[in-house]
Amino acid sequence: ETGVTQSPTHLIKTRGQQVTLRCSSQSGHNTVSWYQQALGQGPQFIFQYYREEENGRGNFPPRFSGLQFPNYSSELNVNALELDDSALYLCASSKTEVSGKTQYFGPGTRLLVL
Amino acid sequence: QKEVEQDPGPLSVPEGAIVSLNCTYSNSAFQYFMWYRQYSRKGPELLMYTYSSGNKEDGRFTAQVDKSSKYISLFIRDSQPSDSATYLCAMSLASGGSYIPTFGRGTSLIVHP
Repeated sequence: ETGVTQSPTHLIKTRGQQVTLRCSSQSGHNTVSWYQQALGQGPQFIFQYYREEENGRGNFPPRFSGLQFPNYSSELNVNALELDDSALYLCASSKTEVSGKTQYFGPGTRLLVL
Repeated sequence: QKEVEQDPGPLSVPEGAIVSLNCTYSNSAFQYFMWYRQYSRKGPELLMYTYSSGNKEDGRFTAQVDKSSKYISLFIRDSQPSDSATYLCAMSLASGGSYIPTFGRGTSLIVHP
């Protein structure tokens, strides 16, 4: 186990609703990245937070937003849910001052939008 | 054309076989190359990463990078049923202290006893 935890594990929402997913990073890590993994696909980068500031964003619309807290835990918020938002949402933490090339993933939150 | 191409498989092999997993990519600026293993209903787990070209070995796993051909490989020797998982390649630019990887879609590997 990596020490990165995510909640909830599963979630069912309907189209148009809003959802908040949570991530606790591994101890000593100050960077959290969020990914969307559709069925049969690799993870797609959503955004990254470093010391509470957004530090890069992938090709996702503004209705995907996030926060990082002083303890380096993080939230992913998705507004106006669409059917295509159904996916596994992964967060990963890393310790950038040591190696930005290694990151540790949590188990993910599986979101189903009906 | 996707930046990173990876055959989704499934690749089915008998226990003890040597497994070869591969990815091709189009962006010649990629400098870091990673392999992740993902078991069903779990998050990806980093297996190995290499910088630029060359080989890297870790136990039964060997990663190879050929930047001239834009081709990376992961070899698994003496494969075990516990190696059955999806293997994701990922690669990134060298940009300051943080990096944002681009993943392949993963290859499903099945090692049968």
